[in-house]
Amino acid sequence: TQLLEQSPQFLSIQEGENLTVYCNSSSVFSSLQWYRQEPGEGPVLLVTVVTGGEVKKLKRLTFQFGDARKDSSLHITAAQPGDTGLYLCAGLGTSYGKLTFGQGTILTVHP
Amino acid sequence: DSGVTQTPKHLITATGQRVTLRCSPRSGDLSVYWYQQSLDQGLQFLIQYYNGEERAKGNILERFSAQQFPDLHSELNLSSLELGDSALYFCASSVDLGLAGGHGELFFGEGSRLTVL
Repeated sequence: TQLLEQSPQFLSIQEGENLTVYCNSSSVFSSLQWYRQEPGEGPVLLVTVVTGGEVKKLKRLTFQFGDARKDSSLHITAAQPGDTGLYLCAGLGTSYGKLTFGQGTILTVHP
Repeated sequence: DSGVTQTPKHLITATGQRVTLRCSPRSGDLSVYWYQQSLDQGLQFLIQYYNGEERAKGNILERFSAQQFPDLHSELNLSSLELGDSALYFCASSVDLGLAGGHGELFFGEGSRLTVL
């Protein structure tokens, strides 16, 4: 069974601060996806990282895939209240193609 | 708008009852997934269909069943409902299975909120 551990579970910060969310596993994934979910809505795909060591930027969000493709991080620079939400990482297994979700990080950015 | 449609958005029912949740995937997507999300359990994978065939099963109770029809819409049937079944139920679709170079990215509907009283 492939598990994805996300940390921290909860993050409460002030507007303008930086933060990093981690997604770790002992398993290798062929790719890793990050989703953001707002209250009352379904998760929305933010990015997919595929290559070990890959870094992708989406405005103030920076996503990194670990060299060994077992972990990933999401860094947000100068967080804004609009960044508030549940952030989920999901890893795609190498053999079957099964998608495994982490437990999520609830981010609250206070104005 | 993800292109995935779920109905109903809200459902309130009593213990012991049976409900059906409906999902229409994005146009062209052959794969449909069902997830349950509750506060203490996160996003739990229930079941996946691909082009009408069951593809994978997750933590789906025997009281729950699903199917995907020839027009690719899917239904999740929940029976003998218990208080603990109260949750958000999401349907998601993807264009591929995450094999042969695809990444299996999911597009989620807005969910059906089930409340069992």
